[in-house]
Amino acid sequence: QPVLTQPPSASASLGASVTLTCTLSSGYGGYKVDWYQQRPGKGPRFVMRVGAGGLVGSKGDGIPDRFSVLGSGLNRYLTIKNIQEEDETDYLCGADHGSGRNFVWVFGGGTKLTVL
Amino acid sequence: QLQLQESGPGLVKPSETLSLTCTVSGGSITSGGYYWSWIRQPPGKGLEWIGSINYSGTTYYNPSLKSRVSKFVDTSKNQFSLKLSSVTAADTAVYFCARGSGIYVGDYFDYWGQGTLVTVSS
Repeated sequence: QPVLTQPPSASASLGASVTLTCTLSSGYGGYKVDWYQQRPGKGPRFVMRVGAGGLVGSKGDGIPDRFSVLGSGLNRYLTIKNIQEEDETDYLCGADHGSGRNFVWVFGGGTKLTVL
Repeated sequence: QLQLQESGPGLVKPSETLSLTCTVSGGSITSGGYYWSWIRQPPGKGLEWIGSINYSGTTYYNPSLKSRVSKFVDTSKNQFSLKLSSVTAADTAVYFCARGSGIYVGDYFDYWGQGTLVTVSS
């Protein structure tokens, strides 16, 4: 099954842009990844699904146009433009793998975004 | 608007069984063929999927937890539940219930509860 790796932290200045990375382990370059935003004390909120070719399907409800995704090789990127204070929180990625008895969801460790 | 709410004991003793219930409001658990899931998050760590079930009883479990997990759906109460047996301190986590966005178990999770902290300690 794939392993998803995320840097534990990232930072960006108010109004700037930041790109968060979720890296799939070797051999899983064809996999799609789901991005979630998680605020303290809350359940995660779906942002977008991204594959090697980019966005898959639609953005989550209420996700601003400032959020976009890209895929390249083993990396799945979430870019946030014109960062606002409200964007300061944790971002998680997840992917499904396998079928039947071998089906599993796996998640990265999350990236904490700080707005400077 | 669909809402999910976890409930259950916040403290469980080692070797005992953890039991949680997720109550769904704003929609029926039997409509749409969706999968209903449990996911947990140990303090300061990432998410771990526990398992998913649909209203007809089709289940998928995390292989690493399968021997200790059972899930069931109570359509009369619009609830689904989780039982995790033989718990240890490693099972201490915030437990979330969530709904899959489609009829495939691999569809993204579109609705989540706010989570409930379960601590395993004597």
